[in-house]
Formats: sequence, structure tokens, C-alpha cells
Amino acid sequence: EMVMTQSPATLSVSPGERATLSCRASQSVSSNLAWYQQKPGQAPRLLIFGASTRATGIPARFSGSGSGTEFTLTISSLQSEDFAVYYCQQYNNWPLTFGQGTKVEIK
Amino acid sequence: QVQLVQSGAEVRKPGASVKVSCKASGFTFTSYAMHWVRQAPGQRLEWMAWINAGNGNTKYSPKFQGRVTITRDTSASTAYMELSGLRSEDTAVYYCARVAPRNYYMDVWGKGTTVTVSS
Repeated sequence: EMVMTQSPATLSVSPGERATLSCRASQSVSSNLAWYQQKPGQAPRLLIFGASTRATGIPARFSGSGSGTEFTLTISSLQSEDFAVYYCQQYNNWPLTFGQGTKVEIK
Repeated sequence: QVQLVQSGAEVRKPGASVKVSCKASGFTFTSYAMHWVRQAPGQRLEWMAWINAGNGNTKYSPKFQGRVTITRDTSASTAYMELSGLRSEDTAVYYCARVAPRNYYMDVWGKGTTVTVSS
């Protein structure tokens, strides 16, 4: 099973600052990686697929990069509504697997 | 608009089974596949199974193989997930999610169904 490891576990950021989240795969997943945002009590929401393509309606301040085993989600200027937990997910191999999440909290 | 509406919260005793439904609207159900994903309290998301709503083909996570069954009713545009042999560790929120066309990531999610397993 592909293991996805996210870092850091928690990221404390002030509004308006940049946030950089990392995701590492135990084997290459090519560009078959997605990022999701989850707020308390809500379902996840798709942000990024194909490692770097924003989903419909996702603001340009969200960007994804990477391929193979190393991936990054960058939020260029954090807004109040961006404080949430972010998960990466590989869909290159069965079973599909998720990282453990990075919580972005207000500093 | 595109929606996935899931059935309500369930409480079961250990050893019992539960069946969760997911009704699709706003798109052609049989043109898509669906995933089932769960999240135990404070835990990461965990993929369980996939079904092609058009032809009924399925794929299961080895962790749940033998305990989970996913089906669909095309006339009702509804997918189902049944989990048997419930134990306390199965207490979680269960989500259905639509699969993006020609791909395997989740582009639309249901709001989730809470399943509580307690004696």
C-alpha cells in the first residue's frame, strides 16, 4: 500500500501570509495526486488534481506542484476561510490512500 | 446542481450490519463512478471502495474486503454501501464521492453519514 506522509502536522500562519504544505509518497505516483480542504463538521472539498490543476471555482491563491514522490500545496496569501485541514491523496495505485492531513491554524 | 444526498445517522450494536445510501442528482449517474470513504474521529480519510455506476464493476480496499459491499440502483440514481461485522472501530463518518470522469479522484462529495457502533 502506498503511504502518503504530510508535513508539518500543524502550520500556524497569520492572515495574509504564505503557507506551504508538503506531501510525500512512498513510491512514485506520477502526477496522480489531489489535494482536499476539510473544515470542521464538513465534507472534504477538492482543491487540486493532477498535482497542479485547480478544480472549478478554486481561487488562484491555491497552487500545487510536484511529481513523482514530492508534492507541495501553496496558499499564497491566507484568508480567514482558508484555515482548515488539508489532505493529499494519491490515485495512481489501488488502494487509494490519503495523507494524515496538515492543519492550518491562525497564528 | 450536482448533489449527493446521503442517508441519516445510524446506531448499531457490535456484530450488526449497516447500509448507507447516496442519492445522486444534477448529473447522469450511470456516466460516473462513485467512491466510498470513511473518517473515524480525529483520523485521516480512508478509502473503502469504488463502483462504476454504469456497469456495476467494483473494487475494494483489502482492509475491508469481505466486510463491505457496494451496489447501485440505476433507476434511483443511488449508490449503497453495506458494512457487516461492525465493531467499535467502525464508528466513523462515511462519505460517498463522485469520481471525476476518466480518473479516480473525488470531485463532488456527499455530506457524510455518521455510523456509531456501541453496545
